[in-house]
Amino acid sequence: DADVTQTPRNRITKTGKRIMLECSQTKGHDRMYWYRQDPGLGLRLIYYSFDVKDINKGEISDGYSVSRQAQAKFSLSLESAIPNQTALYFCATSVGTGWGYTFGSGTRLTVV
Amino acid sequence: GIQVEQSPPDLILQEGANSTLRCNFSDSVNNLQWFHQNPWGQLINLFYIPSGTKQNGRLSATTVATERYSLLYISSSQTTDSGVYFCAVANSNSGYALNFGKGTSLLVTP
Repeated sequence: DADVTQTPRNRITKTGKRIMLECSQTKGHDRMYWYRQDPGLGLRLIYYSFDVKDINKGEISDGYSVSRQAQAKFSLSLESAIPNQTALYFCATSVGTGWGYTFGSGTRLTVV
Repeated sequence: GIQVEQSPPDLILQEGANSTLRCNFSDSVNNLQWFHQNPWGQLINLFYIPSGTKQNGRLSATTVATERYSLLYISSSQTTDSGVYFCAVANSNSGYALNFGKGTSLLVTP
């Protein structure tokens, strides 16, 4: 099994729908992150969490929310999806000051 | 946040050639990592290198923290080296969350 598992792998949804992307990890890392990748723009940070009680906004948090249900689980929600949220979404984990970054396989989301 | 600039944006090499990818960053950092994204989208951590030099097979990396740049060297390139190479940096101001450059897209042809 993968160390960092994202579900679903692919999703097509309609404008205005609520959608949740899930991430779970078996690394035992305390820190978890959600990134978004658009062609030619690299990865941009949406939210990050140091532990269950600590959630922080990243560069592009508008339109997104997160929930850290447990040390091993970090979910990303789009409350009302819009087409420009079509992208590849990555979850990642790390220890301490960011050493040991490990990425999931990504979720390809298309909003139509 | 920390600005990260990578060059060149695109690179085409013939198999066996060597290459150098550069990463400039705008602030002091205590974390710098290089990643390879393969054509299937998977992100693999190549180096954790906030300073100094490391080597792993045909790949090596050098970070000169005082001058705010890092270099990734690929020697004797192979077609499996194709993909996008990302540099990412972090410091306490970023909450130690990595900020990524836009990447260098590498194509190695047979």
